[in-house]
Amino acid sequence: EPEVTQTPSHQVTQMGQEVILRCVPISNHLYFYWYRQILGQKVEFLVSFYNNEISEKSEIFDDQFSVERPDGSNFTLKIRSTKLEDSAMYFCASQPSSGLNQPQHFGDGTRLSIL
Amino acid sequence: SQKIEQNSEALNIQEGKTATLTCNYTNYSPAYLQWYRQDPGRGPVFLLLIRENEKEKRKERLKVTFDTTLKQSLFHITASQPADSATYLCALAERGSYIPTFGRGTSLIVHP
Repeated sequence: EPEVTQTPSHQVTQMGQEVILRCVPISNHLYFYWYRQILGQKVEFLVSFYNNEISEKSEIFDDQFSVERPDGSNFTLKIRSTKLEDSAMYFCASQPSSGLNQPQHFGDGTRLSIL
Repeated sequence: SQKIEQNSEALNIQEGKTATLTCNYTNYSPAYLQWYRQDPGRGPVFLLLIRENEKEKRKERLKVTFDTTLKQSLFHITASQPADSATYLCALAERGSYIPTFGRGTSLIVHP
């Protein structure tokens, strides 16, 4: 079964540095998402992306964050000037369309640790 | 304020019994509700979706009910197995939005 793949599995970065988290969504999917999950907390929506532009974003997704689909396969989340509180699991998800009965398929995440 | 509440205490049951997990919500008008399974260090895995106009959905040993009057969904696993041990997440999406909001999940531990 096709999978969403995320790299790296674990990223350790110094506070203030920039990180790029990478995702390869399922190939025929059209909608892409980033979520984060702080340790012990719930999964929180960050941003959705369709047709090469952001379709929705949450309050968490401020100017520190950006997303890009640089080619036909990768979907990236960039976090600038990282802060300690950015430490979390970051999940990418993809979906074939936006209709009901179209569940999101999640990757296994990147654990981001800010020191 | 909007809330999605799942029991924060782990549910411990014996193998072969039926596990029942609860998801309550307030101040939402959900178009649909989803249940996901999450294993430690892994991403959520979709299990079932139920729409606002549906009362019950089944898939193999899984059953979901949805009561929009009580503002509650119940998730049942029959003939539970130790392999069913995981955290189960409830997520709902409001009408007009396809972005699910997740609850914190309930941990299920099935003892052999």
